[in-house]
Amino acid sequence: LAKTTQPISMDSYEGQEVNITCSHNNIATNDYITWYQQFPSQGPRFIIQGYKTKVTNEVASLFIPADRKSSTLSLPRVSLSDTAVYYCLVGWPGSSASKIIFGSGTRLSIRP
Amino acid sequence: GAVVSQHPSWVICKSGTSVKIECRSLDFQATTMFWYRQFPKQSLMLMATSNEGSKATYEQGVEKDKFLINHASLTLSTLTVTSAHPEDSSFYICSARDLRQEGYNEQFFGPGTRLTVL
Repeated sequence: LAKTTQPISMDSYEGQEVNITCSHNNIATNDYITWYQQFPSQGPRFIIQGYKTKVTNEVASLFIPADRKSSTLSLPRVSLSDTAVYYCLVGWPGSSASKIIFGSGTRLSIRP
Repeated sequence: GAVVSQHPSWVICKSGTSVKIECRSLDFQATTMFWYRQFPKQSLMLMATSNEGSKATYEQGVEKDKFLINHASLTLSTLTVTSAHPEDSSFYICSARDLRQEGYNEQFFGPGTRLTVL
C-alpha cells in the first residue's frame, strides 16, 4: 500500500481557494487517489477520486500530474463549514476487499 | 449515495463488561466491511476486515479475542469489545463498499460509535 504524506494542518479564510497537496511517491500503476473529509465525531465522507490529470465535481477539484507521485485537492471559495480533517488515500479499487489505510490527514481551519 | 448506519451511536459501560456495536449497510449489500478505531486528534486505524460468512482478518497488533467480529449477512457486521477496559474507550467506525460498484473504490463510512469505559 502506497504511503501518503500531507501537511499536518492548514489555515485559510472564508472565500479563499484552498489547495492541499499530498505526496505518494510509491503509487502503483493500478492505484487511484481518493480524498475524504471528516468532521469531529463523524465518519469520513468521500469527496473526490481520480487516476490522472484533473477531476472536478460539485465540491472540489483534484489535480494529478503526469508522474502521479503527488496530487492536489482544491476547494474553491471555502466557508467555515469546510473546517475538517482531509485525508488523501491511495489504493487499488479492484475488489471489494481493498483496504483503505488512513494517513495522518490535514487539519484545515477556516477563519471568518 | 449508499448509507451505512451504526448502533449505538454512543455507549458507556463499566470496566469488565462486553459491548456490541452493529454496522449495517442500509440500501446495498457488502461482502466486506471494515472496522476502524480512532482516538482523539488521531487518524483512523484499521482494526480488521469483516468477511461475510467467514472469519475476520485482523491487522497486526489487534487482539482477535478482544475484538470479536461477526459478519452474518450481507448487510450486517458486528464488533464486540469483550471485557472492556478504559483504554478501549475510543471512536469506532465501520465502512463498506457497494457490490454494485465493483471497481470503484468509494467506501461508505458509518457515523461512528463513541465507546466510553468507566
